[in-house]
Amino acid sequence: NAGVTQTPKFQVLKTGQSMTLQCAQDMNHNSMYWYRQDPGMGLRLIYYSASEGTTDKGEVPNGYNVSRLNKREFSLRLESAAPSQTSVYFCASSEWDRSTDTQYFGPGTRLTVL
Amino acid sequence: DQQVKQNSPSLSVQEGRISILNCDYTNSMFDYFLWYKKYPAEGPTFLISISSIKDKNEDGRFTVFLNKSAKHLSLHIVPSQPGDSAVYFCAASAGTGTASKLTFGTGTRLQVTL
Repeated sequence: NAGVTQTPKFQVLKTGQSMTLQCAQDMNHNSMYWYRQDPGMGLRLIYYSASEGTTDKGEVPNGYNVSRLNKREFSLRLESAAPSQTSVYFCASSEWDRSTDTQYFGPGTRLTVL
Repeated sequence: DQQVKQNSPSLSVQEGRISILNCDYTNSMFDYFLWYKKYPAEGPTFLISISSIKDKNEDGRFTVFLNKSAKHLSLHIVPSQPGDSAVYFCAASAGTGTASKLTFGTGTRLQVTL
């Protein structure tokens, strides 16, 4: 039982290049999330998917696209990377119900855009 | 506009003593609060949570207190251990819909010294 896995762990891009960050969970959770963490800031929500087939914008969606491929997988795409997108990216999943709201996080992808 | 604030970037406590981490929020719609712990190069891991219908929740050495009138919560760790040294994030959600978006504070780095 791996929980939430993310690939790659590290990536260096040049400005303008594109890439896709992959995330998968094996907890049969309905909801999945993408966050970014920058120095001196908390995690900020980029996009989330409440259930398979739905996606919605979070706090900082500009420059990103997402795909909920199936219940297990949720990918984040940078179409034209910019230095401002240098960050650590975390994927999370949850089985949200009204009595609990725990999200489980992957180990992160450290992205540098030159 | 920081809706969840952790005003102490760092805290140092001796092993065996109590660690108190504080968190303030401004959004009165928040009704569920969580604490996450994060080690370097890892994703955040869930520690403890509290619903707004309670004012205290305890789990072993960890207790979270919620003061709704002051919009303040705190995490108490007793006794503190060296393995508790990590960054602690406070998070809050307004639980509507089928996926709940967490708003994170900027984190407090706890160092437990021998």
